[in-house]
Amino acid sequence: SQTIHQWPATLVQPVGSPLSLECTVEGTSNPNLYWYRQAAGRGLQLLFYSVGIGQISSEVPQNLSASRPQDRQFILSSKKLLLSDSGFYLCAWMTEGYGYTFGSGTRLTVV
Amino acid sequence: QQQVKQSPQSLIVQKGGISIINCAYENTAFDYFPWYQQFPGKGPALLIAIRPDVSEKKEGRFTISFNKSAKQFSLHIMDSQPGDSATYFCAASRRYGGSQGNLIFGKGTKLSVKP
Repeated sequence: SQTIHQWPATLVQPVGSPLSLECTVEGTSNPNLYWYRQAAGRGLQLLFYSVGIGQISSEVPQNLSASRPQDRQFILSSKKLLLSDSGFYLCAWMTEGYGYTFGSGTRLTVV
Repeated sequence: QQQVKQSPQSLIVQKGGISIINCAYENTAFDYFPWYQQFPGKGPALLIAIRPDVSEKKEGRFTISFNKSAKQFSLHIMDSQPGDSATYFCAASRRYGGSQGNLIFGKGTKLSVKP
């Protein structure tokens, strides 16, 4: 079966610290992968997407970066977190013709 | 051309009532229209989806109505229940085509169903 794993579930980090969020999918190959951010009570902001290993498209220029070192692994990173990076981060993968499956999300609080 | 406009931003409905959320799109190449339901602290989950070859799709209490000529689609929740209280997102995409298959999301509607 096809599943998506995202961790950690919650994270509290000080301003200026680095960040690494990981997302892995199982049961599929060469999926399109996505990172979204959601501010409290707000909509879904697409940050990055990837159509293959090493292929990253950035939708919004900001303090974050993404990498796809393996077919089913997608990583969101930052070298130095800002207060404005706080939010709910969601990973998703796309099945062509059937939309997205989202992970359970990571609640990031930058203090 | 890539926008999906969703309304209302928030909605309060009495238990047993009908909840209606509307979305409009511009890109006539879109041919897949899903709705996602998101509970607090959880990722969005696919609720129901429609393709433009039909005007309506029903799954239990949830119905999508689709008007291709008006480029609009809506979600109807019949006999709304407090457990339906969540944020709902409409979306649109082309079904196939690599990055062109990326979903374009509406801004979401926060539904509260009062007991």
